[in-house]
Amino acid sequence: GQNIDQPTEMTATEGAIVQINCTYQTSGFNGLFWYQQHAGEAPTFLSYNVLDGLEEKGRFSSFLSRSKGYSYLLLKELQMKDSASYLCASMDSNYQLIWGAGTKLIIKP
Amino acid sequence: DTAVSQTPKYLVTQMGNDKSIKCEQNLGHDTMYWYKQDSKKFLKIMFSYNNKELIINETVPNRFSPKSPDKAHLNLHINSLELGDSAVYFCASSQDLGDLSVTYNEQFFGPGTRLTVL
Repeated sequence: GQNIDQPTEMTATEGAIVQINCTYQTSGFNGLFWYQQHAGEAPTFLSYNVLDGLEEKGRFSSFLSRSKGYSYLLLKELQMKDSASYLCASMDSNYQLIWGAGTKLIIKP
Repeated sequence: DTAVSQTPKYLVTQMGNDKSIKCEQNLGHDTMYWYKQDSKKFLKIMFSYNNKELIINETVPNRFSPKSPDKAHLNLHINSLELGDSAVYFCASSQDLGDLSVTYNEQFFGPGTRLTVL
């Protein structure tokens, strides 16, 4: 079956670095997405990886290892506004996104 | 200039009623989606639709039906509402499914409709 696993919740300190891991198993693979969702709001796109390696975009970076079915989202210089849920999603062979349940990130001062 | 819009934002109704949620996108995208996000925050695809093909998640009850009057709209109609239908429903759109000229098919989400069935 198709499955996305990520931790339910993580806590980090303002100014620090946090890594959110995601493992996936999907029927075919057309890329791995990370979305951010603040409470009560819609998900917004953060990053996309389809090749192995690290993609950096400002304070956020995303890594992919296709052979391991593994990705992580790295957030640096954490700010209070980064408190949100981070959703990992794998695009399968039908170009459908299979979503994880999201990781709720709590930032403490 | 909202990219993906949904109405209503909140919908409270009685069990057994029929209701519709409207979605419009002004991004010129070819593909639109409906998602259900339950209390555990799982985003589950219900439908994806472009002018060529409707893909239905087989776990979606046939009480739910998408209706697309044109490429920019994909409305969700729900018959005989049940308590378990209470959730947040998100509409989304993307350039196209499998369009090789597009590096990736980022999906843009509407603000969501919080449906409460009493």
